[in-house]
Amino acid sequence: NAGVTQTPKFRILKIGQSMTLQCTQDMNHNYMYWYRQDPGMGLKLIYYSVGAGITDKGEVPNGYNVSRSTTEDFPLRLELAAPSQTSVYFCASSYWPGDELGYTFGSGTRLTVV
Amino acid sequence: AQSVTQLGSHVSVSEGALVLLRCNYSSSVPPYLFWYVQYPNQGLQLLLKYTTGATLVKGINGFEAEFKKSETSFHLTKPSAHMSDAAEYFCAVIITNKLIFGTGTLLAVQP
Repeated sequence: NAGVTQTPKFRILKIGQSMTLQCTQDMNHNYMYWYRQDPGMGLKLIYYSVGAGITDKGEVPNGYNVSRSTTEDFPLRLELAAPSQTSVYFCASSYWPGDELGYTFGSGTRLTVV
Repeated sequence: AQSVTQLGSHVSVSEGALVLLRCNYSSSVPPYLFWYVQYPNQGLQLLLKYTTGATLVKGINGFEAEFKKSETSFHLTKPSAHMSDAAEYFCAVIITNKLIFGTGTLLAVQP
């Protein structure tokens, strides 16, 4: 089982550029999440999805968009990159939010906006 | 409002010493509680969790945590630190169907 796979692992963007962070899971999890991690701030929830076609905002959604066309994929889109979006991004999935098994995390995408 | 508070952003212990990482939560209902570990340049790995039942839970690598409802705490401990325990540790709680993280504690282990 691959679990949760994120691509790319590293990326440098110029201000104003756009990009999509890819996330795929092979565990047939209904729920998927995007977090960003900043030093001293822990992980903040950006967006989450409860199933194909359904997404909702988390704590810090501004500047991001998501879609969920399949159970497996949950891409995160940055339309106009800003330096404040320099961060490490983690995708995660679970069967349901209260899943006592916890969430499975990808290995992260380190994004720098210059 | 902060739902999860980790006291001490940096903790340093000597190899062989007790590790104690503190976590307090705020929730009106009994939460599910988790500790995750993140090694440098890696993703998050689940250390242990509390859902229901026994309040003392054991995890991987010799770590354990005790859920104390009266203190709204879920502190992480390990009797004897190893150099390999150096990492960042995150306490997390599921509240309103979302996994909310604390700000993390960076554990350094001195030889």
